[in-house]
Amino acid sequence: GNSVTQMEGPVTLSEEAFLTINCTYTATGYPSLFWYVQYPGEGLQLLLKATKADDKGSNKGFEATYRKETTSFHLEKGSVQVSDSAVYFCALNDYKLSFGAGTTVTVRA
Amino acid sequence: DAGVIQSPRHEVTEMGQEVTLRCKPISGHNSLFWYRQTMMRGLELLIYFNNNVPIDDSGMPEDRFSAKMPNASFSTLKIQPSEPRDSAVYFCASSSEYNEQFFGPGTRLTVL
Repeated sequence: GNSVTQMEGPVTLSEEAFLTINCTYTATGYPSLFWYVQYPGEGLQLLLKATKADDKGSNKGFEATYRKETTSFHLEKGSVQVSDSAVYFCALNDYKLSFGAGTTVTVRA
Repeated sequence: DAGVIQSPRHEVTEMGQEVTLRCKPISGHNSLFWYRQTMMRGLELLIYFNNNVPIDDSGMPEDRFSAKMPNASFSTLKIQPSEPRDSAVYFCASSSEYNEQFFGPGTRLTVL
């Protein structure tokens, strides 16, 4: 079946550091890929998405590229802020979302 | 747009009591999902409706849990009787045909 594996946390960074969260997937066909973010005490929010191979999703300085050859969708941000502290979930979509376990990111001032 | 609406936001109850969680999806969305989130097990899909019909309830933990969607604008998740191990945050999400899901703010359930 479809599944997502993402880098385990927690990840702790200083402000302005570079962030990468690895995500790989197993799927039949070509699902859409998503990154969701969950801020403390809130529900999940869509951060970015890509619907086909080589698509790059971007939002709020975050980027991820749908790589079919490596079955990956790694999340990156060049300069993080304290406000980026959250839990990040990679997910793929056939008719329902399959989520990764989530990566907790803490950014220190 | 109001987004996905869930009520109550917090629920504290005693073991053995019935608990009903409510969800109003985004207007026009035809898929609705119930999730449970705990520290131990992360985010789990409980049940998925499409056009008000339950499609996949394989994630429903046991017979104490039931979900209904009587119309396109309302769904309930009921736990009867509740147990302390049901304590979690329950999320409802909606989407339109294989597109991204939009999540509600969640209901934090505590069963004493």
